[in-house]
Amino acid sequence: NAGVTQTPKFRVLKTGQSMTLLCAQDMNHEYMYWYRQDPGMGLRLIHYSVGEGTTAKGEVPDGYNVSRLKKQNFLLGLESAAPSQTSVYFCASTENWADYGYTFGSGTRLTVV
Amino acid sequence: AQKITQTQPGMFVQEKEAVTLDCTYDTSDPSYGLFWYKQPSSGEMIFLIYQGSYDQQNATEGRYSLNFQKARKSANLVISASQLGDSAMYFCAMRPGAGSYQLTFGKGTKLSVIP
Repeated sequence: NAGVTQTPKFRVLKTGQSMTLLCAQDMNHEYMYWYRQDPGMGLRLIHYSVGEGTTAKGEVPDGYNVSRLKKQNFLLGLESAAPSQTSVYFCASTENWADYGYTFGSGTRLTVV
Repeated sequence: AQKITQTQPGMFVQEKEAVTLDCTYDTSDPSYGLFWYKQPSSGEMIFLIYQGSYDQQNATEGRYSLNFQKARKSANLVISASQLGDSAMYFCAMRPGAGSYQLTFGKGTKLSVIP
């Protein structure tokens, strides 16, 4: 019963460094999402994927790239980290768009100094 | 564009009392879904309850119920018999209708249950 697993759980980056956040789900869900959560802002969608090999931009995509080479994995990349990307990142998945069962990962707390 | 508004940054409730957390939404789509999530201090997002725009009855899940007033575009969460473990952030979210995949979240309400 792993559900959605995010790695790493915590990370500190220096400005300009790059990193990749991994999201893995074992529920065979078609749709996967990356959100960021900032204090007082709720969750905002960064990118999403509606199936293997597809990605699309969400509300706040700038500074991020994503890839979905395998159905179970959704990667979020930061090519050149900035302090404004300090946030908590959540991955989520659903079986299809109409399914109200969005499953969230436990989050990754990223600090860019 | 879709928008979710939660006007209560923080709420206090006495243990065993009921509490209502407000949520209003704005959408021109006739088909949409409304969600409530709980986020305890540990950080995970816990799904509580769902209401579809065409559902005739208000959704209920145990101590949680959703007071859905479509004409007013409100979807308030009612928690009955509050428990200390209910202390958390609560987020209202909306998924618009066909062809859209984005869950739009409100800014949240921090609920504190007082013993």
